[in-house]
Amino acid sequence: GESVGLHLPTLSVQEGDNSIINCAYSNSASDYFIWYKQESGKGPQFIIDIRSNMDKRQGQRVTVLLNKTVKHLSLQIAATQPGDSAVYFCAENQRGFQKLVFGTGTRLLVSP
Amino acid sequence: ETGVTQSPTHLIKTRGQQVTLRCSSQSGHNTVSWYQQALGQGPQFIFQYYREEENGRGNFPPRFSGLQFPNYSSELNVNALELDDSALYLCASSRDRGPYEQYFGPGTRLTVT
Repeated sequence: GESVGLHLPTLSVQEGDNSIINCAYSNSASDYFIWYKQESGKGPQFIIDIRSNMDKRQGQRVTVLLNKTVKHLSLQIAATQPGDSAVYFCAENQRGFQKLVFGTGTRLLVSP
Repeated sequence: ETGVTQSPTHLIKTRGQQVTLRCSSQSGHNTVSWYQQALGQGPQFIFQYYREEENGRGNFPPRFSGLQFPNYSSELNVNALELDDSALYLCASSRDRGPYEQYFGPGTRLTVT
């Protein structure tokens, strides 16, 4: 869904923990999804993407899970580090359209 | 591999003025998409350019326009600036048209007073 509001949900974790950031999407026609990391004052940084013909995709220290039945996407970060502190956005795309629709961001705070 | 660059970094304009923002795409990328990000929100799609032609547009008025050049760099032009146009303007480049693997630049912070 569209991103709303100034007060972002926040996830606070300790360094070394595994983090799970969740995202619900509303468009059942969406078939491509991306996770971005955005640090203060910077543009979004591509983390990982997944297409709707997959349920899971792994990258370096990150895993994205897609549950199309309940329209839910999650990003798992293993062994979270202070440098992972940022706002994380999920974005979705409906086949045939060019735009990415960004969800409500989640602020991840990692304490040493 | 050179990443996406944008200029200027910051800009202050007065209501009613016009502004041009610039974007150089990542090496090997032929598609540029522009987004507007208001404070505390996710980016909103403005439009996409592929091989010098507009290839999709979001819900923005015609006073938002763009160009793409033969070297795949791009400009975003905004006429008759309004206070609500104050935002971070992001461009993203990708290897082909569509939503796939868009890589963002650092953005231009526009303030309209």
